[in-house]
Amino acid sequence: DGGITQSPKYLFRKEGQNVTLSCEQNLNHDAMYWYRQDPGQGLRLIYYSQIVNDFQKGDIAEGYSVSREKKESFPLTVTSAQKNPTAFYLCAISETGKFDGYTFGSGTRLTVV
Amino acid sequence: QQQVKQSPQSLIVQKGGISIINCAYENTAFDYFPWYQQFPGKGPALLIAIRPDVSEKKEGRFTISFNKSAKQFSLHIMDSQPGDSATYFCAASEHGGSQGNLIFGKGTKLSVKP
Repeated sequence: DGGITQSPKYLFRKEGQNVTLSCEQNLNHDAMYWYRQDPGQGLRLIYYSQIVNDFQKGDIAEGYSVSREKKESFPLTVTSAQKNPTAFYLCAISETGKFDGYTFGSGTRLTVV
Repeated sequence: QQQVKQSPQSLIVQKGGISIINCAYENTAFDYFPWYQQFPGKGPALLIAIRPDVSEKKEGRFTISFNKSAKQFSLHIMDSQPGDSATYFCAASEHGGSQGNLIFGKGTKLSVKP
């Protein structure tokens, strides 16, 4: 997907377990984002980061955590505190200087049973 | 203030027809308006975007019409094809997107019948 890789594509976890979703990019973009997609709900922002070692909460950050230790990586942890974690998770990147929209990854479908 | 309202939720169009999807916003500070196309199981892809200094932008069969006074913008797909069947999202952001985040509409599922 144009230099942004999400893995795995499908993920199954038992209720109460933490799970980490991977997002890696090789386009040297500064900004990275995590969105959650549910049917009929559009895309809702979870967390975003515009520089290394810094990130901000989005609209639905409760029950999620992130880190940005390297420019190319922005992993998302879905914790046991997230009440309804089953969803399609999308990572996106963008340039901050010359903004030309987001480039999205291909997504991770998380199912919690 | 931060919402982007998109309609219709679903749309069925015959092959060769025109598909029209509308979005409305309240925040007058929004100054970047992209449209994304998403196929099932894939991430959204940027289709076309407009900034408020122009009222229309055309790329191939896809056109964005922008009405700043009405705070509305729309996507027109001319000569719609079955391959256009997908979910379309409008979005908006401030500062040209360079500092903030895109606020997305809830999406329109387009089906183009052969």
